[in-house]
Amino acid sequence: ELKVEQNPLFLSMQEGKNYTIYCNYSTTSDRLYWYRQDPGKSLESLFVLLSNGAVKQEGRLMASLDTKARLSTLHITAAVHDLSATYFCAGGAQGGSEKLVFGKGTKLTVNP
Amino acid sequence: DVKVTQSSRYLVKRTGEKVFLECVQDMDHENMFWYRQDPGLGLRLIYFSYDVKMKEKGDIPEGYSVSREKKERFSLILESASTNQTSMYLCASSPAGEGEQYFGPGTRLTVT
Repeated sequence: ELKVEQNPLFLSMQEGKNYTIYCNYSTTSDRLYWYRQDPGKSLESLFVLLSNGAVKQEGRLMASLDTKARLSTLHITAAVHDLSATYFCAGGAQGGSEKLVFGKGTKLTVNP
Repeated sequence: DVKVTQSSRYLVKRTGEKVFLECVQDMDHENMFWYRQDPGLGLRLIYFSYDVKMKEKGDIPEGYSVSREKKERFSLILESASTNQTSMYLCASSPAGEGEQYFGPGTRLTVT
């Protein structure tokens, strides 16, 4: 059974700093997704990572996937206040199932 | 753009009432999902449907049922609402064979 663990669960950082959110998963998963959720809002898709070594970038966010290490990272560069949100990673469940297993989310607060 | 809509943003019901939450997607997606989201617990899958009239239990189906009579519509039913079903309910859809899920705006349900 696929399990997905994110850390840290809470992250408070200063504007302009860099940081990385980690997403570990327990068994083979061939796809990994990152979502963003603003307070009181729904989830918005950020990145889809489908192969080992995949790297995607959008603005100050960069996501990567290492299937051998069963690890995905979301790197934040020169954080700004607008990035404050909760970030979720999700892995595809085994056996070709179309269900996703979500991590518990990382609540990011960027302070001026 | 994929659009997933949910019938209500906020709902207040009394204990014992039958509650219907409706979700509609406009992109002809085969898969539809119902999750609940609670602080500290992340997203938990209640039910999943991969075709009209087809459904599969998720991680926490107890106290819920679902209906999918048309491809675009997926309903979540609380047969007899209880206070422990107070939560944020999120609907999502995805095409067959792809994992990326598109989420609706969510329904915040309060059961008093």
